Amino acid sequence: DADVTQTPRNRITKTGKRIMLECSQTKGHDRMYWYRQDPGLGLRLIYYSFDVKDINKGEISDGYSVSRQAQAKFSLSLESAIPNQTALYFCANQAGPVDEQYFGPGTRLTVT
Amino acid sequence: QQPVQSPQAVILREGEDAVINCSSSKALYSVHWYRQKHGEAPVFLMILLKGGEQKGHDKISASFNEKKQQSSLYLTASQLSYSGTYFCGTEMAGANSKLTFGKGITLSVRP
Repeated sequence: DADVTQTPRNRITKTGKRIMLECSQTKGHDRMYWYRQDPGLGLRLIYYSFDVKDINKGEISDGYSVSRQAQAKFSLSLESAIPNQTALYFCANQAGPVDEQYFGPGTRLTVT
Repeated sequence: QQPVQSPQAVILREGEDAVINCSSSKALYSVHWYRQKHGEAPVFLMILLKGGEQKGHDKISASFNEKKQQSSLYLTASQLSYSGTYFCGTEMAGANSKLTFGKGITLSVRP
């Protein structure tokens, strides 16, 4: 969806490096999410935020941290990247609890 | 608890029908369906809520069996554009809107 942007779209980094993935949305939604997608495993929730002061761990938060800089911006950081964090990362946003989630175009991250 | 999606893969000819399923061992509050084409982001199809409410595209048909904690997506008169991977995301009662997604079903529609 053009209302959700993710940067970078592709990134290759080395083991041990710190990397930040950024997500920005223009829909004005309070709820934002970070997922990772691995082949055959579906989408797994890393972190989520229901407003600027609210940050919650998902099912696979180890090795990741997030920052909600504003209603529109939600960043994901890998403090010390490792090869098994190689994946496709999506951010999403949502207006309310029973509304659709709008996904960004994804960031393909490779850790060598 | 990750929901189980079945079958794992479906191959259809244009115009044929298919049913894909999503099951959970936990009591659910809602089921969401998304379709993802290769290299693209997942796109919303349908939300089914406990109690019978549905939100989604008019051309998509789905059901939610609250007794069995199972949802089915009905794809009728399939078109080439239906090809992709279908994910269900389930929200358990009291889960504060978090969705747990299944592994996905790959559906291919051939001419």
